[in-house]
Amino acid sequence: DGGITQSPKYLFRKEGQNVTLSCEQNLNHDAMYWYRQDPGQGLRLIYYSQIVNDFQKGDIAEGYSVSREKKESFPLTVTSAQKNPTAFYLCASSIPKLTDTQYFGPGTRLTVL
Amino acid sequence: QKEVEQNSGPLSVPEGAIASLNCTYSDRGSQSFFWYRQYSGKSPELIMFIYSNGDKEDGRFTAQLNKASQYVSLLIRDSQPSDSATYLCAVTTGTASKLTFGTGTRLQVTL
Repeated sequence: DGGITQSPKYLFRKEGQNVTLSCEQNLNHDAMYWYRQDPGQGLRLIYYSQIVNDFQKGDIAEGYSVSREKKESFPLTVTSAQKNPTAFYLCASSIPKLTDTQYFGPGTRLTVL
Repeated sequence: QKEVEQNSGPLSVPEGAIASLNCTYSDRGSQSFFWYRQYSGKSPELIMFIYSNGDKEDGRFTAQLNKASQYVSLLIRDSQPSDSATYLCAVTTGTASKLTFGTGTRLQVTL
């Protein structure tokens, strides 16, 4: 089955800890994206990558970091510098320039204790 | 000014009626327009996309685009209780195939 997987589904973090959220896709999509969603709000772009070993900041990149060492994988690290990390994190992928359609993974809900 | 605006709702329609969801956007250069459905606690799933002015139909769903008015809408015919969800409008902005999302309209289909 082709798709996007995210793990874990739920994640609890103590203040001051870094945590890494996993995103893997087997759709052979070139581009991958990370969004954050807060209750009652739309999706805000954190980082995106259009090609392996390259990525760009989105609208709210502060306190986050990413890597894109493989086409299939785009992990997101939420660092201790992120002041309000409790949110629903969504990963998406697409084939840019062919279609802008983005497909989403199931999401990771991060809670800071 | 928000780049993509939607009425947050809730929009309440009776079962079997037509639900009309609206979205306006500010970037005249936007080329692609998307509607996603998001159930509570779940990730968004694509319903439809539209690129050209006019209507595009897919089953019970019709997307309408008017670039001159910077307006895109989604009509849901014969609304069902299972259609109750938040509907997100998204448009491409700038380069790099980035999407900008509205905050969503919550639809409630009542029995």
